[in-house]
Amino acid sequence: RKEVEQDPGPFNVPEGATVAFNCTYSNSASQSFFWYRQDCRKEPKLLMSVYSSGNEDGRFTAQLNRASQYISLLIRDSKLSDSATYLCAVNMRTGGFKTIFGAGTRLFVKA
Amino acid sequence: NAGVTQTPKFRVLKTGQSMTLLCAQDMNHEYMYWYRQDPGMGLRLIHYSVGEGTTAKGEVPDGYNVSRLKKQNFLLGLESAAPSQTSVYFCASSRRDYHLEQYFGPGTRLTVT
Repeated sequence: RKEVEQDPGPFNVPEGATVAFNCTYSNSASQSFFWYRQDCRKEPKLLMSVYSSGNEDGRFTAQLNRASQYISLLIRDSKLSDSATYLCAVNMRTGGFKTIFGAGTRLFVKA
Repeated sequence: NAGVTQTPKFRVLKTGQSMTLLCAQDMNHEYMYWYRQDPGMGLRLIHYSVGEGTTAKGEVPDGYNVSRLKKQNFLLGLESAAPSQTSVYFCASSRRDYHLEQYFGPGTRLTVT
């Protein structure tokens, strides 16, 4: 089993829809979590951090469920410009530190 | 601020050739990383550095070497390229206390024939 897993998608949604992605992690020692966005043939870019209490930034909400070991990203009122691949990143302390990225979930928002 | 820059952007090598990828950052970040990204595999850490003169192995270090002689630069070397090293290589940097908040360079597309 991979340490960090994401549904690869693609998710095809119409403009204005609400879409949610999950990212599961296997190591309970995981400590911090982040979502990145990656446009086609571009580098990943920071999107938002994930806290136990949830984190909201405009149309985006990130949440952490430690009991079930997953994080989620909710996008409300989807825009065409939201089309991208969304990567989750999980950091765990193992003596030093270890950061694992998920393979990403592709989202297509259509008019 | 240029952020994180990488050179070259594209490169084609023949099997057995060597090359060095250069990464530079102007954000005064302590940590720097080299990743490779392959379809369906996500980003995999090759090597990383927590400071000038210090490097460590990541998840897939075999066939690569790195050096960090200056804080702002992190070099990735391929001594004898193999077709399995065909990939997109990303460099990233972060602050010491926020190493999950990584800033990536634009990537280098390497093809080994």
